[in-house]
Amino acid sequence: DGGITQSPKYLFRKEGQNVTLSCEQNLNHDAMYWYRQDPGQGLRLIYYSQIVNDFQKGDIAEGYSVSREKKESFPLTVTSAQKNPTAFYLCASSPRGGNEKLFFGSGTQLSVL
Amino acid sequence: DAKTTQPTSMDCAEGRAANLPCNHSTISGNEYVYWYRQIHSQGPQYIIHGLKNNETNEMASLIITEDRKSSTLILPHATLRDTAVYYCIVSPPYGGSQGNLIFGKGTKLSVKP
Repeated sequence: DGGITQSPKYLFRKEGQNVTLSCEQNLNHDAMYWYRQDPGQGLRLIYYSQIVNDFQKGDIAEGYSVSREKKESFPLTVTSAQKNPTAFYLCASSPRGGNEKLFFGSGTQLSVL
Repeated sequence: DAKTTQPTSMDCAEGRAANLPCNHSTISGNEYVYWYRQIHSQGPQYIIHGLKNNETNEMASLIITEDRKSSTLILPHATLRDTAVYYCIVSPPYGGSQGNLIFGKGTKLSVKP
């Protein structure tokens, strides 16, 4: 079945450690996005990419990095510079990045040890 | 981007219609209204969207006022599985960044037996 796969479902980070969250889609969508969600809050945009080898910062990009080397993959790295990384991370995609609906993955819960 | 205002929470009896309001008084003429829902610890799911006319699909109906300053999402026969947070979002016109959708806190709908 077509869709967006996020892995792992749960991830733990030690102090000073970088961790990478995986996001893969087989929908042939051009645009992909990363959101952060804190308990009881809405979603906030971290990064988005509308084409391979190009990406843009969202509202809360500090302490995060991304790459878009392949159309189907958009991994997110949470660096040690992100001092409060505990959150639920959601990846999404859309066909062209314009006025169209988003397809979301099932999310990754990141916690700090 | 226009912002939206939704009630924090609502209850609905199982089998009854759930009517979820949304205010978007600063919406621009070419901006769409989208609705998503998020079941606990999952990624948001697209429900429906519209520009001016009322819309209906297999999940819900969307009623947009003539002045487009507010809308109502209708779940005609709510079930326990409809318990979720519902987000009303105004989308920028095509060519803008779909990723800059503003997911607020939404409305937590509780469907009760």
